[in-house]
Amino acid sequence: ETGVTQSPTHLIKTRGQQVTLRCSSQSGHNTVSWYQQALGQGPQFIFQYYREEENGRGNFPPRFSGLQFPNYSSELNVNALELDDSALYLCASSPGVRDTDTQYFGPGTRLTVL
Amino acid sequence: AQTVTQSQPEMSVQEAETVTLSCTYDTSESDYYLFWYKQPPSRQMILVIRQEAYKQQNATENRFSVNFQKAAKSFSLKISDSQLGDAAMYFCAYRTSEEYGNKLVFGAGTILRVKS
Repeated sequence: ETGVTQSPTHLIKTRGQQVTLRCSSQSGHNTVSWYQQALGQGPQFIFQYYREEENGRGNFPPRFSGLQFPNYSSELNVNALELDDSALYLCASSPGVRDTDTQYFGPGTRLTVL
Repeated sequence: AQTVTQSQPEMSVQEAETVTLSCTYDTSESDYYLFWYKQPPSRQMILVIRQEAYKQQNATENRFSVNFQKAAKSFSLKISDSQLGDAAMYFCAYRTSEEYGNKLVFGAGTILRVKS
């Protein structure tokens, strides 16, 4: 059974650019959640996708957007990058959105904005 | 809004000894889930243990156990017989289903160092 994978591992962008991060969910999982983890802090919820529809959003501006594909993999897009967007971006998949559905995390993408 | 507080930025434990990591949370919900996740230097977040709020019995997973005090909104993690591989950042997390979306709310984390 393949776990959650993310690509790329590291990424360096400049302010104002756009970036796309990718996540492949664990086999059998139809829900993907994205989190931003700034250095030395806990992860912050960005949004969640369930069966290709957005199923909740945290306190992030509209320049953070996402997609989920029919195979339940997902993309996180960030437009007009700012220095404060530098962080580890974590993707987590789960079998669904029930209370009993645990989220399993990928290794993350480290984004540096210069 | 729910909040999770981990008051210990860093803890140290001697190998084979026991250590307890603290976590408190604030919520108005009566039914929820609590988790402890471990994040080693390799970065991959790993689930350590989870607790359903409606269960009075404290969860246990091998050397890891929790002390869940619902009235006090406290959820501490006890690691027994500490091993070098336990060294990591530990996050306490609360799962809410009250709002639209099944999201995790994390504390700031506690760095655990294990001394040989």
